[in-house]
Amino acid sequence: QQQVKQSPQSLIVQKGGISIINCAYENTAFDYFPWYQQFPGKGPALLIAIRPDVSEKKEGRFTISFNKSAKQFSLHIMDSQPGDSATYFCAASGADSGYALNFGKGTSLLVTP
Amino acid sequence: DAGITQSPRHKVTETGTPVTLRCHQTENHRYMYWYRQDPGHGLRLIHYSYGVKDTDKGEVSDGYSVSRSKTEDFLLTLESATSSQTSVYFCAISREGSSNSPLHFGNGTRLTVT
Repeated sequence: QQQVKQSPQSLIVQKGGISIINCAYENTAFDYFPWYQQFPGKGPALLIAIRPDVSEKKEGRFTISFNKSAKQFSLHIMDSQPGDSATYFCAASGADSGYALNFGKGTSLLVTP
Repeated sequence: DAGITQSPRHKVTETGTPVTLRCHQTENHRYMYWYRQDPGHGLRLIHYSYGVKDTDKGEVSDGYSVSRSKTEDFLLTLESATSSQTSVYFCAISREGSSNSPLHFGNGTRLTVT
């Protein structure tokens, strides 16, 4: 049973545009929500993360928006660049499973020149 | 890659044979995890360890066993490999099991079971 649902599966954005990826979760015990970026042949790398006590976190061009009541969170990539082309995974975790991450199925992002 | 080495990086094996994948870390982190990645499924947790000889099952543990006799090594064993276990396997480590300690991943082992 997928505990974190992610959409869209794939996304094509023009250079300079905004990329938006959405995730939803069910388990209210989750209290840590990271986003990972993965390039081909590599392991996922932590991009940015948020805890439910804040509604937004920004790091450079990357912003997480978090809606606790709706149990949803999203990643916004501003001024998208071709180098941002990768697969993005949202995830969620909590204390009940040693903070093992529950991942969404991933979004393949292509930023065109 | 946060001091994580997975070996081998690629392996082809036949159905029914035992296979062991190794994850070695140099960070002295307490938590270690094994995930598998398959198209359309994202990453799914197989097993994790919260200390030497302390392990627990994840979402897709059937057909897999793990062992952790030293802090730095976490082994994943497929007792009798099946074609459904063809996948890319990722090891991850975390200093502690908390939201203050993010997971860092190795570069994976691509396993093909023929």
